Amino acid sequence: DTAVSQTPKYLVTQMGNDKSIKCEQNLGHDTMYWYKQDSKKFLKIMFSYNNKELIINETVPNRFSPKSPDKAHLNLHINSLELGDSAVYFCASSHVYEQYFGPGTRLTVT
Amino acid sequence: AQTVTQSQPEMSVQEAETVTLSCTYDTSESDYYLFWYKQPPSRQMILVIRQEAYKQQNATENRFSVNFQKAAKSFSLKISDSQLGDAAMYFCAYRSGQNNNDMRFGAGTRLTVKP
Repeated sequence: DTAVSQTPKYLVTQMGNDKSIKCEQNLGHDTMYWYKQDSKKFLKIMFSYNNKELIINETVPNRFSPKSPDKAHLNLHINSLELGDSAVYFCASSHVYEQYFGPGTRLTVT
Repeated sequence: AQTVTQSQPEMSVQEAETVTLSCTYDTSESDYYLFWYKQPPSRQMILVIRQEAYKQQNATENRFSVNFQKAAKSFSLKISDSQLGDAAMYFCAYRSGQNNNDMRFGAGTRLTVKP
């Protein structure tokens, strides 16, 4: 059973489009996250969310928005995609200590 | 602000030998957690080992162990009996004990294992 899953694994789209990446965790964790990994492999947290609070990294453009239909899902919506949004996006979840990561979604904006 | 520094962009080890990856961090907190994650070419982030700051004993997971020096704010990873499958990017990470949302990663060390 996959603990944290993301779809799609690859996403190629044109500038200006709007896209979504879905994330689901079956671990029963309280908190979920989105990370961006750039071409130099640097990982940066974008959002963290539990059923009470959404915390947004101040450097994230407001074109990015997380949406959580329930505790097990945290989807990432991106509006008006730009070339600089090309990266690998990871979803993660945690309960107490470590975070468990999804397989990542490689987003390519052309 | 908490920062995590990995000063070795790349490391290489001969199969069956031992290698140590370095990590230092900066924090004013006393309660925190440290992690090493492995990212193979498949890009999946895999937890290797965890260390709670309040524990003096160094964490160990099979061939992986850490040298946690709290006063020096150092958290190195030792891989013993290196295997070809250990080849990957390794990320050191810091998580605040007070703020579950504050997780920071180092820039990573690319480990190559030579047969």
